[in-house]
Amino acid sequence: GEDVEQSLFLSVREGDSSVINCTYTDSSSTYLYWYKQEPGAGLQLLTYIFSNMDMKQDQRLTVLLNKKDKHLSLRIADTQTGDSAIYFCAEHTGTASKLTFGTGTRLQVTL
Amino acid sequence: GAVVSQHPSWVICKSGTSVKIECRSLDFQATTMFWYRQFPKQSLMLMATSNEGSKATYEQGVEKDKFLINHASLTLSTLTVTSAHPEDSSFYICSAQRLAQETQYFGPGTRLLVL
Repeated sequence: GEDVEQSLFLSVREGDSSVINCTYTDSSSTYLYWYKQEPGAGLQLLTYIFSNMDMKQDQRLTVLLNKKDKHLSLRIADTQTGDSAIYFCAEHTGTASKLTFGTGTRLQVTL
Repeated sequence: GAVVSQHPSWVICKSGTSVKIECRSLDFQATTMFWYRQFPKQSLMLMATSNEGSKATYEQGVEKDKFLINHASLTLSTLTVTSAHPEDSSFYICSAQRLAQETQYFGPGTRLLVL
C-alpha cells in the first residue's frame, strides 16, 4: 500500500519545539519530503531526506528517518507564530516520479 | 531558485463552461509537471503527470476527457476543466520537476468555484 499517515493537529507555544510525525508504508521510498502549506497557498518545500540518511539538519529544522519503522519526523526548533500552517510529508518511490502525500498536520502556535 | 506560477489564482465560472489553468516554471525547464487537486482540509490528490511533448498520464478515476492537459513547452503546462460542474470546485495545484531531478516545486494553486 501507499498510505502515508500523520496526526491531524499539533499545538505548541511560541519558542517551544514542535515535532511532527509521519508514518509511511513503502519501503522502497528513495526521497522523503516535508512541505508547508499556508492557508489558500501552494506547497513550500521545506526540506527532504534521502533514504540512506538517518538525520538531516537545516537551520531550525531537523528531519529524522527511521527506515526500520518507516517513521519520519520533522522537528522545528524555537517555533514561531509564522510557522503556523499545515505540514505534509511526502514519499517518492524509485519506480515512478510520483509523490504520495500524507494526510497533513495542522500546526498551531500559541503565544 | 525554482519558481512555479499558476494563472489564474482564482476563478468563478458558470456550470457548463470550460476553464483553463496555466502552470509555468519561471526560472527552470520542467520536463515533467504534475497536476493535483485538493479538497478543503484534505491532502493533495494526484490527477495526472504531464511530460513535455507527450500525452499526459492520468491517475485512476480521473477522466481525461474532463481534465485536458497540455504540456507544449518546457515551461508551460495547462489544465482545462471542460464543461465544469459544481463538483469540480476545488483547489488545483501544479508542480514542476527538472530533468533528472526528483524534487517537485509547487505553484501557488488555483481556486475554482463553479456556480
